Amino acid sequence: DQQVKQNSPSLSVQEGRISILNCDYTNSMFDYFLWYKKYPAEGPTFLISISSIKDKNEDGRFTVFLNKSAKHLSLHIVPSQPGDSAVYFCAAFHDQFYFGTGTSLTVIP
Amino acid sequence: DADVTQTPRNRITKTGKRIMLECSQTKGHDRMYWYRQDPGLGLRLIYYSFDVKDINKGEISDGYSVSRQAQAKFSLSLESAIPNQTALYFCATSDLVRAGELFFGEGSRLTVL
Repeated sequence: DQQVKQNSPSLSVQEGRISILNCDYTNSMFDYFLWYKKYPAEGPTFLISISSIKDKNEDGRFTVFLNKSAKHLSLHIVPSQPGDSAVYFCAAFHDQFYFGTGTSLTVIP
Repeated sequence: DADVTQTPRNRITKTGKRIMLECSQTKGHDRMYWYRQDPGLGLRLIYYSFDVKDINKGEISDGYSVSRQAQAKFSLSLESAIPNQTALYFCATSDLVRAGELFFGEGSRLTVL
């Protein structure tokens, strides 16, 4: 049973606008959440993370929001750039990592 | 050179053959993992190892085995490959301090005919 879900397989955004990628989880024991970015023919790379004791973490253009009551995580990219076009995986950690199915983001120049 | 190296990068084999995917890392991390990626299913954990003498099953370990030959080396074996093991396989590492951050290899694409 999928404990981490990304319900949008794909997303297209105009360059300069905000990209919002969403993630839902079911296990309230998760204590750490991460986003990974994956380009074709490469392995995923770590992008940003957030502890369960926080509700927001920001790193440059990337901000992750955590709503524990809703068991919902989101990644905001502002402004979006063509180089951000990739597959984004949400992940949650408790004893081991659990990954979502990924959202393919296309930023249109 | 990549910090996490996987070999082979691509492999086509036949049902029933034994296959080994190898992973080596230069990051000095104790923790190593094998994941499998399938379309629509994301990344799923096959096996993981927290040190040389530690091996743990992940959520989809059936049909696979692993060997942690050294701190830097972690190999994944398919003793008798079957077509539904066709997938993209990733090795990853992490350290104890920043256990939440995984460093992935570039992937090994396996096709079982």
